[in-house]
Formats: sequence, C-alpha cells, structure tokens
Amino acid sequence: KNEVEQSPQNLTAQEGEFITINCSYSVGISALHWLQQHPGGGIVSLFMLSSGKKKHGRLIATINIQEKHSSLHITASHPRDSAVYICAVTSGTASKLTFGTGTRLQVTL
Amino acid sequence: DVKVTQSSRYLVKRTGEKVFLECVQDMDHENMFWYRQDPGLGLRLIYFSYDVKMKEKGDIPEGYSVSREKKERFSLILESASTNQTSMYLCASSLFWGRENGYTFGSGTRLTVV
Repeated sequence: KNEVEQSPQNLTAQEGEFITINCSYSVGISALHWLQQHPGGGIVSLFMLSSGKKKHGRLIATINIQEKHSSLHITASHPRDSAVYICAVTSGTASKLTFGTGTRLQVTL
Repeated sequence: DVKVTQSSRYLVKRTGEKVFLECVQDMDHENMFWYRQDPGLGLRLIYFSYDVKMKEKGDIPEGYSVSREKKERFSLILESASTNQTSMYLCASSLFWGRENGYTFGSGTRLTVV
C-alpha cells in the first residue's frame, strides 16, 4: 500500500463544474503539498498546508490531520485547469516529498 | 520568484554514454532534489542534497550519482546510461526544514536512451 493515495485517478468534468480530488496518507506528516503538472512536464506548487484550509483564486485545499486526509477543490472549472494534480507529503525532519500517483483532470467545454 | 532551471528539455543519448543533467536554482535554497517520473509509478526520489558537498540517497539511487560543488547547482550523473533510465527527470529545491518549506520544480528533462 502506498503511503499517499489519491482518488480518483482520472476525472473528466464539464466547464463550470465543481471538482474535488482526494488524498489520504498513512504516515505522520509535517506538511502536505498539492502540485499541478501540465502536459510538457513542469510542476507548479499550488499549496503547502499543515492544518485547516487555504484558498487561492478558484482553488481551495483542506486538510484533516486526525483523519489523515486532504482535498483539493476547484470551483467553476475551466479547460485550462486540465492537468495532473499530485498530492505529496513531507514527514519528520526530512524535506523529502513522498508523492501520490496523481489525478489526471480533463475539463471539457 | 525562485527559478529552478534544468539545462535541457529533451535529451537523446546512447547506451553506455555518461550523461550529465544540470540543475541551477537562484534563491539560495539549501535543499535540492532529483526525481524521476514514470507512467504508473509517479515521482520517485533519486538523490537529494541539503548542503554543498552533502548528498543522500533517495529511493532509487542505483545507476546514478550526484554532485553539489556549489549551493546553486546540483548535477545528476548517469555513469553508463541504460535504456531503463529513459524517463522524465525533475529537479526541485526548497529551504531547509523548519522554515517556509515550499518547493520549486524545474521544467523537467525528458531523457531517451537508445
């Protein structure tokens, strides 16, 4: 079993839909990261959080430390949101990231 | 904005060649990382470094070595490239643990070994 599990693996949505991507982890963490990877490979860090909720534009990330679970929400989705979204955690005093396998999101018109 | 620059976007090398992948960051980050990304396996850590001349093995170090002679530069070396090292390679950097620990990634190098 992977230390970081994401669901769903693939997601197709119509423009305007509200999207939720889930991440569960099995280890104690110091922080959880949500990353976005567009075709072509470059990865952008969206959020780093260790408690509560963060919001940036149409993106919202929440984390429940007791349940070891995080969600990434996209409101009013748009085709330009199409990408792979990756959940990753850091734990202990190490700075290493442990990654989920990603959620491929396709938003259609 | 912190920038992490990888020297090549695409690289084609022959089996047995020595390959250097270069990564440079411009924000004085202590930590630097090399990952490879393969379909179905996600991102896996090859090596990381938390200071000049310091390095630690990640999850899949076999067949690779690294060099960090200056704080801003972290090189990944494939001593004798093999076809199973065909992959997307991503470099990242971050501040030392305990401080704001966001990560910045490079654009990736897609390496093909033929």
